[in-house]
Amino acid sequence: GNSVTQMEGPVTLSEEAFLTINCTYTATGYPSLFWYVQYPGEGLQLLLKATKADDKGSNKGFEATYRKETTSFHLEKGSVQVSDSAVYFCALSAPGANSKLTFGKGITLSVRP
Amino acid sequence: SAVISQKPSRDICQRGTSLTIQCQVDSQVTMMFWYRQQPGQSLTLIATANQGSEATYESGFVIDKFPISRPNLTFSTLTVSNMSPEDSSIYLCSVEEYREGYTFGSGTRLTVV
Repeated sequence: GNSVTQMEGPVTLSEEAFLTINCTYTATGYPSLFWYVQYPGEGLQLLLKATKADDKGSNKGFEATYRKETTSFHLEKGSVQVSDSAVYFCALSAPGANSKLTFGKGITLSVRP
Repeated sequence: SAVISQKPSRDICQRGTSLTIQCQVDSQVTMMFWYRQQPGQSLTLIATANQGSEATYESGFVIDKFPISRPNLTFSTLTVSNMSPEDSSIYLCSVEEYREGYTFGSGTRLTVV
């Protein structure tokens, strides 16, 4: 079946530090890959996505590249801010008539001033 | 992308009672999804709801506990029946949009006492 594995958390960084959150996946076919963010007390927001190999999704300074050879979709940001403190979920949607999202466990990022 | 209005945003309920959560979308969508997010956990798909047919439930979820209605292409409800404290979670609805990915409602925070 389909699955998403995220690195263990939580992660605590100082402001302006470099961020990498690892995500690997297992899927049949060619899935679409997503990063969602959940700010404290809020619902999920789509952060970025990639729909085919070598695509790079980017938004708000975050980037992730769809690497089919390593089945990975790692999230990066060059300089984090306190406002980036949130829970980040990696997810995939495999092609099919009943497509649905499969989520990783999520990782909590805390950025201190 | 679609805008989803979900209500109530939160509720505190007595055990043994039922709560119906509503999800209204500002555009017509084929499939709507209902997720559960238990405290500190990732999202788990409860069921997929297509208009005009019975919802399709994931393993571990049954219609008697989580009845779903989908009367038209812009609206759905999820009922959490005969609640117990273990049902305390965030419940989210989601829609899939062509080329846009998945959009989520802001969630319903349910506490069962």
